[in-house]
Amino acid sequence: AQTVTQSQPEMSVQEAETVTLSCTYDTSESDYYLFWYKQPPSRQMILVIRQEAYKQQNATENRFSVNFQKAAKSFSLKISDSQLGDAAMYFCACTNFGNEKLTFGTGTRLTIIP
Amino acid sequence: DAGITQSPRYKITETGRQVTLMCHQTWSHSYMFWYRQDLGHGLRLIYYSAAADITDKGEVPDGYVVSRSKTENFPLTLESATRSQTSVYFCATWGRADNSGNTIYFGEGSWLTVV
Repeated sequence: AQTVTQSQPEMSVQEAETVTLSCTYDTSESDYYLFWYKQPPSRQMILVIRQEAYKQQNATENRFSVNFQKAAKSFSLKISDSQLGDAAMYFCACTNFGNEKLTFGTGTRLTIIP
Repeated sequence: DAGITQSPRYKITETGRQVTLMCHQTWSHSYMFWYRQDLGHGLRLIYYSAAADITDKGEVPDGYVVSRSKTENFPLTLESATRSQTSVYFCATWGRADNSGNTIYFGEGSWLTVV
């Protein structure tokens, strides 16, 4: 079984600043995927970024990037130049290759301060 | 439009009633899932299906029944609704919908209140 831990229930950041959301996971598999999802008040689940564990290079998507530390089982999300529209719940998730059940962390609520 | 459609989006029902939440996808993805979201728990897997006629339990299956006679549909039934089943329910699929790699795609959610 895999577990995902998000130790920061809430975070806040000033608009235009950078913020990092933490995520640690545990899995016995060597091949797996990691994800960050954004959930605004509408409750829609929006994929922010994905990372395949076999890839050394950290994934990036515009202002969003990850720091993937495989040995430490850490997968943090960095949001640069924070915007008001970034305010949401952010969920970290993990799934193994060939067993596509996604396991989620409990989420981090991000507030953007104008 | 392509994607995942859930219905109903909002439902209020009484304790003891049977309720079915519908999920339809247009991609023909093999894997489909039902999650529930409750405050403090993130999303928890109820049931999943690897293909038509293949289903399996997730983390919190008690009180729920699923079926999958066709690849595109994956209904979730609450046989006798309880207040503890008040939640937001998400249907999801795993696969490739564009030029990016495999990922999980979510429907918009079904808000269920049991009174």
